[in-house]
Amino acid sequence: SQQGEEDPQALSIQEGENATMNCSYKTSINNLQWYRQNSGRGLVHLILIRSNEREKHSGRLRVTLDTSKKSSSLLITASRAADTASYFCATKGDSGSRLTFGEGTQLTVNP
Amino acid sequence: NAGVMQNPRHLVRRRGQEARLRCSPMKGHSHVYWYRQLPEEGLKFMVYLQKENIIDESGMPKERFSAEFPKEGPSILRIQQVVRGDSAAYFCASSPPGTPREQYFGPGTRLTVT
Repeated sequence: SQQGEEDPQALSIQEGENATMNCSYKTSINNLQWYRQNSGRGLVHLILIRSNEREKHSGRLRVTLDTSKKSSSLLITASRAADTASYFCATKGDSGSRLTFGEGTQLTVNP
Repeated sequence: NAGVMQNPRHLVRRRGQEARLRCSPMKGHSHVYWYRQLPEEGLKFMVYLQKENIIDESGMPKERFSAEFPKEGPSILRIQQVVRGDSAAYFCASSPPGTPREQYFGPGTRLTVT
């Protein structure tokens, strides 16, 4: 599997439900970031979690990081139709500045 | 504070022509990154630049592609003799000095090669 691989590839839920997306990676990281991309648009930065952090919250978003399992999860609570988008995790390694993106999870929130 | 700006937003080129993509980073940001996104895929790193320096170009094809970030003006990603496989969305991101460097993305340039 690739660095920063998201699971599931696609997720469809009803408005008000929670959405959980997972990301796995292979190499040591400095931080992990989650981005949202609406169809045909640019990326919007959602949240950054450092390698020494285990959990972070921002509004309806909750991100966890388990460096022992090399995995992260993004939870969106009380989803809305406007949350419909692709969600990508991206890792930054210990050296260098590049971000390595996964293939994304396509989230559809049905009204 | 305006975000990262890219232009043009859409670019159509015939095979063999040159494509020039421009990126103006956010004010105060001195680091620029270029990524390419093929349809239905995630972003792939191409090159990382600071003013007048290429720091990491390991993700950029060796031929036909070049990037610069001059002392004055925007960063330019140049693709010579475009081929159909170059059709993609090209995103630029910028970040301020310091670590960890959160990257702020522009809206992208969608290149279509006909």
